[in-house]
Amino acid sequence: GAVVSQHPSRVICKSGTSVKIECRSLDFQATTMFWYRQFPKKSLMLMATSNEGSKATYEQGVEKDKFLINHASLTLSTLTVTSAHPEDSSFYICSARVGRPGLAGETQYFGPGTRLLVL
Amino acid sequence: QQPVQSPQAVILREGEDAVINCSSSKALYSVHWYRQKHGEAPVFLMILLKGGEQKGHDKISASFNEKKQQSSLYLTASQLSYSGTYFCGSLGNQGGKLIFGQGTELSVKP
Repeated sequence: GAVVSQHPSRVICKSGTSVKIECRSLDFQATTMFWYRQFPKKSLMLMATSNEGSKATYEQGVEKDKFLINHASLTLSTLTVTSAHPEDSSFYICSARVGRPGLAGETQYFGPGTRLLVL
Repeated sequence: QQPVQSPQAVILREGEDAVINCSSSKALYSVHWYRQKHGEAPVFLMILLKGGEQKGHDKISASFNEKKQQSSLYLTASQLSYSGTYFCGSLGNQGGKLIFGQGTELSVKP
């Protein structure tokens, strides 16, 4: 299957600082990537859809100025948590879409996730 | 709208069978099943594309009843490695956003 990587896998930062998380598709090009957030023992909550070469589409309730998304190339999307606070601590997971939207076989492959702890 | 999974949790002995159900109040155009181990990312299991479809590999299979807007995941003769949280995800007919159910935590004991 398709391989998606994330970096870093873990990060601890001080409150008020910004943290950047990278998501890369290693063996395929992904025009669309997705960013999820997951709390312990909870489901994956979609935060935003990242489209190469255009602005990200954020889900309702997600602050676009706080969670900056940049999809600079067909293999890289970044999520920057700006002015992080303890409540931003969470498990952040990206995924990359494989296949064309709306067509048979479309699915997503997930990166290994980034655990963020804000002190 | 989030698909609903049942049961929320299940504990099995090695070798026992389990069924996890996924239903939606909105039309399901495709159903995706993932398994997530603690602290790891979800791993793709299979996708079902149309009503009546059934798929499987090893001893894990799934069915999709488009009319009832339901899908079921069947785990047969469970192994310790099957432990984890299983999520179903639904895509609309335009593709795009994959919306996950709340998850079913499966524990297989020796």
